[in-house]
Amino acid sequence: EVQLVESGGALVQPGGSLRLSCAASGFTFSAYSMNWVRQAPGKGLEWVSYISGSGSATYYADSVKGRFTISTDTAKRSLHLQMNSLRVEDTGVYYCARGDFAYSSFWRYWGQGTLVTVSS
Amino acid sequence: DIVVTQSPDSLAVSLGERATINCKSSQSVLSSSNNKNFLAWYQKKPGQPPRLLIYWASTRESGVPDRFRGSGSGTDFTLTISGLQAEDVAVYYCHQYYDSHTFGQGTKLEIK
Repeated sequence: EVQLVESGGALVQPGGSLRLSCAASGFTFSAYSMNWVRQAPGKGLEWVSYISGSGSATYYADSVKGRFTISTDTAKRSLHLQMNSLRVEDTGVYYCARGDFAYSSFWRYWGQGTLVTVSS
Repeated sequence: DIVVTQSPDSLAVSLGERATINCKSSQSVLSSSNNKNFLAWYQKKPGQPPRLLIYWASTRESGVPDRFRGSGSGTDFTLTISGLQAEDVAVYYCHQYYDSHTFGQGTKLEIK
């Protein structure tokens, strides 16, 4: 059974940093691409970042480019999102999602999400 | 960037009736290489992650009731829920994955 479990969400001040993690199980981690998708309170879904199964390709939404870094640790079967220079508008629930294909893929499996609150 | 617009923003339908949600993309999401539309539909309930309902515009995900149907091609798509059940109350999102990833703003479905 595919399982994705996020962690690392917290309350952080504007300008601060946070590192989210997503622990994966039930599938060959390096064979699938992974993504981060977020939902601000009362708002819709927004794709944040993508990483290929090999880790060689990464993409970011314009809203986070230059501030967020996506990475994987294949040995630990984990996905990470390093978030720097956080803004109030980065507040929301962050989900990790597995892609069935490379970049252009729908997302069949999702974690339960972790809450990030950026506030002073 | 491809902009995806859903209509209506909210919808109230009686139990057992049909709900229709539309999704329009600013550019075609039909690939000439595989003749597939890169368009998916998700159901989102509070406190839960999104649930994949439909992919390639019309392929129903395993385990999704057959009252959920996706249709359309190019730039115009529709999610139809026939015989509405109480558990279908949720926000529905369309998602284009042809060029990067963008979602529609969501359609809130309620019981009338």
